[in-house]
Amino acid sequence: EAQVTQNPRYLITVTGKKLTVTCSQNMNHEYMSWYRQDPGLGLRQIYYSMNVEVTDKGDVPEGYKVSRKEKRNFPLILESPSPNQTSLYFCASGLAGSYEQYFGPGTRLTVT
Amino acid sequence: SQKIEQNSEALNIQEGKTATLTCNYTNYSPAYLQWYRQDPGRGPVFLLLIRENEKEKRKERLKVTFDTTLKQSLFHITASQPADSATYLCALPLQALSGYALNFGKGTSLLVTP
Repeated sequence: EAQVTQNPRYLITVTGKKLTVTCSQNMNHEYMSWYRQDPGLGLRQIYYSMNVEVTDKGDVPEGYKVSRKEKRNFPLILESPSPNQTSLYFCASGLAGSYEQYFGPGTRLTVT
Repeated sequence: SQKIEQNSEALNIQEGKTATLTCNYTNYSPAYLQWYRQDPGRGPVFLLLIRENEKEKRKERLKVTFDTTLKQSLFHITASQPADSATYLCALPLQALSGYALNFGKGTSLLVTP
């Protein structure tokens, strides 16, 4: 089944403890992206990647890192999480030329 | 700075009627515009893409218009059903040397009542 998977789906952690949220797609998509969604602020893009080793900042990159070493994987790294990074995170992927994006199921992160 | 505006108030309509949602934007020159559907707690699902040289696009009961002069897109659902109740998001690309970012509006919540 064609899909975008994210792990973990739910995570509660403490301030300053490094964490990684994984994202994987099995559709051979070039484009991958991370978003966070917060009430009243909508869906905001954190980072995107057009292909392996090509990444760029979205609207809200501060406090996040990404890497794209393989086409199928695009992990999101929070080196020192803070409470303001408590949010619902979505990974998405798409073909470079078609622009439509396929979203994962989301990761609900709580930082205390 | 770029802005995408969608009606923040929920839209309540009766089953069978046509729902019309609006997306206005400023400081964009988009080559295309997209509409997504999002159900509570789930990821958005792509519905339609309309390009700048297309005035209108249809897919089953969905119709999208795109007026680059008015900087507006309208999203219509005809013969609406309770299953159409969801939040609808419009999205615009921001081209960059490294590719494109995708910016979303905050969405309009649609409630279709029987």
